[in-house]
Amino acid sequence: KNQVEQSPQSLIILEGKNCTLQCNYTVSPFSNLRWYKQDTGRGPVSLTIMTFSENTKSNGRYTATLDADTKQSSLHITASQLSDSASYICVVSDGLTGGGNKLTFGTGTQLKVEL
Amino acid sequence: EADIYQTPRYLVIGTGKKITLECSQTMGHDKMYWYQQDPGMELHLIHYSYGVNSTEKGDLSSESTVSRIRTEHFPLTLESARPSHTSQYLCASSARDNSTDTQYFGPGTRLTVL
Repeated sequence: KNQVEQSPQSLIILEGKNCTLQCNYTVSPFSNLRWYKQDTGRGPVSLTIMTFSENTKSNGRYTATLDADTKQSSLHITASQLSDSASYICVVSDGLTGGGNKLTFGTGTQLKVEL
Repeated sequence: EADIYQTPRYLVIGTGKKITLECSQTMGHDKMYWYQQDPGMELHLIHYSYGVNSTEKGDLSSESTVSRIRTEHFPLTLESARPSHTSQYLCASSARDNSTDTQYFGPGTRLTVL
């Protein structure tokens, strides 16, 4: 069964600090991995997407890494801001054609940035 | 900001009522999806559609039904709501020719059944 596990489950950091969120997956075959940001009461918004051949990708203060050999990804947030407070969800696609179940979602890391 | 809309945003109803959650997108996407998400839990796919007159059930069994009469509209209906249906419902869409299948999500409907 395809699974995506994220850690930590929740995290509190001070504004201006950096943090790293982890994602481990067992999805086969692997197509791509996304990080989404979900604000409370809102739908998820895509931050980054990486395919098998990509090791790192940045989007502003967000940098995602992917190690396809160990099936691990991380999301690094630099110089955190209060607006970064949200749930960060790791989503892996199995790339199979047909059917709707191409995406496996993690439960997310709940990040809170405080003054 | 994705052009995908959901109404109502919040709904509190009594057991046994029939409800329809609306979802519409103005991006011309062929694929649309409905997810159910409980607090602190992962999203579960309950329905999807690859185009007009196409609807399929997702991974999570659901008593809801969907229809796709128009490309831009993908409503979800519960014939008789129960407290177990209390959850957040998220609608999403993606383009048919998008090889990465990036899904754009609506803001969600928070449903509470008393």
